[in-house]
Amino acid sequence: LAKTTQPISMDSYEGQEVNITCSHNNIATNDYITWYQQFPSQGPRFIIQGYKTKVTNEVASLFIPADRKSSTLSLPRVSLSDTAVYYCLVGDRASGGSYIPTFGRGTSLIVHP
Amino acid sequence: NAGVTQTPKFRILKIGQSMTLQCTQDMNHNYMYWYRQDPGMGLKLIYYSVGAGITDKGEVPNGYNVSRSTTEDFPLRLELAAPSQTSVYFCASSYLHRDRGLPYRETQYFGPGTRLLVL
Repeated sequence: LAKTTQPISMDSYEGQEVNITCSHNNIATNDYITWYQQFPSQGPRFIIQGYKTKVTNEVASLFIPADRKSSTLSLPRVSLSDTAVYYCLVGDRASGGSYIPTFGRGTSLIVHP
Repeated sequence: NAGVTQTPKFRILKIGQSMTLQCTQDMNHNYMYWYRQDPGMGLKLIYYSVGAGITDKGEVPNGYNVSRSTTEDFPLRLELAAPSQTSVYFCASSYLHRDRGLPYRETQYFGPGTRLLVL
């Protein structure tokens, strides 16, 4: 099973760009990379998902290098409301019946005024 | 669509009591999951289901049971509550989808959680 490593915490200021990198050295050929956001007292919420190269949506961008052993979530011009925990997941149900989603502790992002 | 709903929102149990946490989704998703989240920690998978009538253990199944008689419902049962089961419980559902030329992928949708305190 692919294991992920990401920083425990990050600090930023309003208006800055934030990049959170996740390492996943054992990623399998068919594994997707998915990022979730969790606010206090709420369930995680899907942000973005990618397989290779770059993916962008209205919330974030996801950069995946050619070897796919890491990925970087980029949040442009963060605001106070982006303060949350961000989780990187590798693999999914499509990987087969033995797949167990592993959220880890995630990265706690604090955005300061 | 209501998405994934969970009841109750909060519950206090005495040691040894039993209860069922309810989870319902209206998105016709095949896959459903139960997680627990302890303070300051990530989510740990308790049980999951790949369809009605099929369930399997996750990372931390001891002390819990599940059933999946319909696509919509995936209740989690605590038979003999213990203080170690004090946690926030999240239910999620998902489905597989695929873009042309790429592998299948999955997106999980989570409920609002049930906060359980065992005293």
